[in-house]
Amino acid sequence: SQQGEEDPQALSIQEGENATMNCSYKTSINNLQWYRQNSGRGLVHLILIRSNEREKHSGRLRVTLDTSKKSSSLLITASRAADTASYFCATASMEYGNKLVFGAGTILRVKS
Amino acid sequence: GAVVSQHPSRVICKSGTSVKIECRSLDFQATTMFWYRQFPKQSLMLMATSNEGSKATYEQGVEKDKFLINHASLTLSTLTVTSAHPEDSSFYICSARAVTGYGYTFGSGTRLTVV
Repeated sequence: SQQGEEDPQALSIQEGENATMNCSYKTSINNLQWYRQNSGRGLVHLILIRSNEREKHSGRLRVTLDTSKKSSSLLITASRAADTASYFCATASMEYGNKLVFGAGTILRVKS
Repeated sequence: GAVVSQHPSRVICKSGTSVKIECRSLDFQATTMFWYRQFPKQSLMLMATSNEGSKATYEQGVEKDKFLINHASLTLSTLTVTSAHPEDSSFYICSARAVTGYGYTFGSGTRLTVV
């Protein structure tokens, strides 16, 4: 399995602060994706970054990808209480038949 | 956008019975669907890859005779948990990948409780 590691495992911040989550993976990838999951719910796709991209933005989200270090980060700016959720990175690789393999996840709590 | 419908959202069954979970792509064709299991406060673990018209590919450690997968059409895959035990209680999520593109769309998940 190429499941990656994420850190921190849990993050607690105040509303308005920025939240940064990191993800590392083990093999070459085609793309890396970030997902959000509210407790006991399905997954919401946040953003996809391709292996030839270094940075991508979507609203308050900023994702970076460093393929030389096999790592990615997700930055949520100006966090809101509604951002409280678990965040997962997931990688897809031709080597693994484009199966989407998930990292361990970061539990984010935004306090109002 | 692409939508995947997963049914049922919650199911409680008795030990020893079988439970079927359906995963449908509503507005796109998916030659490949994926089944994941998620235990509380843990990540999603890939169980198997479901290929339309062929046998599913199971991840190491997943019993194919216990978790039967059928992908009979381009829009439907089913996961049947056979002879369920309490340790099978978990959150099961399917994902469908469109024939074209990079996208993976997830169902809303099924909470299985075996009593």
